[in-house]
Amino acid sequence: GAVVSQHPSWVICKSGTSVKIECRSLDFQATTMFWYRQFPKQSLMLMATSNEGSKATYEQGVEKDKFLINHASLTLSTLTVTSAHPEDSSFYICSARGIKDQYEQYFGPGTRLTVT
Amino acid sequence: AQSVAQPEDQVNVAEGNPLTVKCTYSVSGNPYLFWYVQYPNRGLQFLLKYITGDNLVKGSYGFEAEFNKSQTSFHLKKPSALVSDSALYFCAVRNSFSSGSARQLTFGSGTQLTVLP
Repeated sequence: GAVVSQHPSWVICKSGTSVKIECRSLDFQATTMFWYRQFPKQSLMLMATSNEGSKATYEQGVEKDKFLINHASLTLSTLTVTSAHPEDSSFYICSARGIKDQYEQYFGPGTRLTVT
Repeated sequence: AQSVAQPEDQVNVAEGNPLTVKCTYSVSGNPYLFWYVQYPNRGLQFLLKYITGDNLVKGSYGFEAEFNKSQTSFHLKKPSALVSDSALYFCAVRNSFSSGSARQLTFGSGTQLTVLP
């Protein structure tokens, strides 16, 4: 149980276009979802936290107009990278916490974004 | 503010030998501590956690970790390393006092473990 999926697993897009990444909790209801960014051989950097039906809370330094997060249902959150630039190329990982999970966060497999 | 330190970027160990990946933390109040493993181009897989109780925690794939409150450490250990254990390991902490959506994990910088055949 407690499986989190992400789609797509990798995407290549041209500079200036927008890309949407989906994060789904497959067998539980995720009241809270987290979006992380990871550069090669570095740690995970929290970008934002979202609760179902509420606006996301962004970490300092993360542009909310560039990284649009929607958590419209208890099983789906989306991250849209708008007007992508090469510096947005990174590995994006989502994580979900369920209603009954006081301690656990479950991580998705990640999405590799390359902006050319 | 809470923080995690993984002092070693890289740990090399021969297959069959014991391994240790170090982690120290700083947090207000009681810590919740976690270890995750990441394989190339994959998300994080949960290994084990310490919440309360016995200081020695056993987790997946034969890994264990010992919570040491006086040294604020939570080192990951395995008695006999396998080549397949080679991966990136992350220690994480969060404050037990946090509530709601603010219960965020803070990750260490990661330690690349290489088990040599």
